[in-house]
Amino acid sequence: GDSVTQMEGPVTLSEEAFLTINCTYTATGYPSLFWYVQYPGEGLQLLLKATKADDKGSNKGFEATYRKETTSFHLEKGSVQVSDSAVYFCALSEGGKLIFGQGTELSVKP
Amino acid sequence: GAVVSQHPSWVICKSGTSVKIECRSLDFQATTMFWYRQFPKQSLMLMATSNEGSKATYEQGVEKDKFLINHASLTLSTLTVTSAHPEDSSFYICSAQPAAGGPWNEQFFGPGTRLTVL
Repeated sequence: GDSVTQMEGPVTLSEEAFLTINCTYTATGYPSLFWYVQYPGEGLQLLLKATKADDKGSNKGFEATYRKETTSFHLEKGSVQVSDSAVYFCALSEGGKLIFGQGTELSVKP
Repeated sequence: GAVVSQHPSWVICKSGTSVKIECRSLDFQATTMFWYRQFPKQSLMLMATSNEGSKATYEQGVEKDKFLINHASLTLSTLTVTSAHPEDSSFYICSAQPAAGGPWNEQFFGPGTRLTVL
């Protein structure tokens, strides 16, 4: 079945460091891809999305490109802030259902 | 906009009792709601898909008689954990999909309910 694999956390960075969180997927069709963020004590929020190959999703300085050839959707940010500390989930949608990766905890230190 | 609430936010119950969790879409109508379970440091696992006015569709391995789902209106779905046991302790999260969803069917998530069964 379809699946999503993320790099394991926790990831600890200093403020203004560059962030990459790897995400690869396995799917039989052509899924939409998402990154969700979960701040402490809150529900998941959609961070960005891409619906077809070569699409780039971006929001709040984060971006990810839908790479069909490598079945990847890596999340990047050029300069992280303490407020970016959260758990990040990569997900795919096919047939109306979301399938999540295991989540990557990011901790940004001042 | 697109706010989803859950109640209660946390609950502690004795083994053998039943617990009801509510999921409400506050500012939109949701024809479809989803229930997930999240274990510590792990991903969200879809338990069931709930469509307003019809029976829920459960994922493989999820006991439908144990996890009763009711979606009686376009703004409310409930999950009842019947005869709860300690292994049912988990974080339960719902999401709601607007009736007029976009082409990629965005889901809006509730803040979750922490269930602890003693």
